[in-house]
Amino acid sequence: GAGVSQSPSNKVTEKGKDVELRCDPISGHTALYWYRQSLGQGLEFLIYFQGNSAPDKSGLPSDRFSAERTGGSVSTLTIQRTQQEDSAVYLCASSLLTGGGELFFGEGSRLTVL
Amino acid sequence: SQKIEQNSEALNIQEGKTATLTCNYTNYSPAYLQWYRQDPGRGPVFLLLIRENEKEKRKERLKVTFDTTLKQSLFHITASQPADSATYLCALLTSGTYKYIFGTGTRLKVLA
Repeated sequence: GAGVSQSPSNKVTEKGKDVELRCDPISGHTALYWYRQSLGQGLEFLIYFQGNSAPDKSGLPSDRFSAERTGGSVSTLTIQRTQQEDSAVYLCASSLLTGGGELFFGEGSRLTVL
Repeated sequence: SQKIEQNSEALNIQEGKTATLTCNYTNYSPAYLQWYRQDPGRGPVFLLLIRENEKEKRKERLKVTFDTTLKQSLFHITASQPADSATYLCALLTSGTYKYIFGTGTRLKVLA
């Protein structure tokens, strides 16, 4: 597709369940970012990929959060044993450049933990 | 501590006027500053980028200024239209890093 694609667009889960969020970046974009946006808040940086490697995972809130990227393309953000405070919109973005380039965002995955 | 501050209050202006949004930062030395537009339920969309050695950038009705002494960027929309109503986010990138840090955004409403 022409843009960044995220799925699912909406996910409602019960506390304690695991969830997987998927991001399909723009073809050829080597940089991929995950952000979290809580209601009325700004974007909280989670993790960045350059190719398949994640130089810095320090933005991940806890060890329940993990992410991987395969083939320099699709990325999956996994949240284990979800908690209510994990409820937010998870945004993925890709960029052609590592630094300074514009970020192209997907429409986000809205996660609600009951 | 490091902070990026944007007006949390919504900004209401009359159609045709110039809207001015502010982004202030502390304890950062950004190499790049970007502005994004976000509509409800959508992902942010890139608008403009300005580098640390640039004072001003323009694109159609948009203008961004960057004052590294004041640690401030101003974002202007001239001849504003109701379609400009959205939340506007500023984002910083410091030299040698890859982590874009976003402000909380300012909600703009242009009244017809």
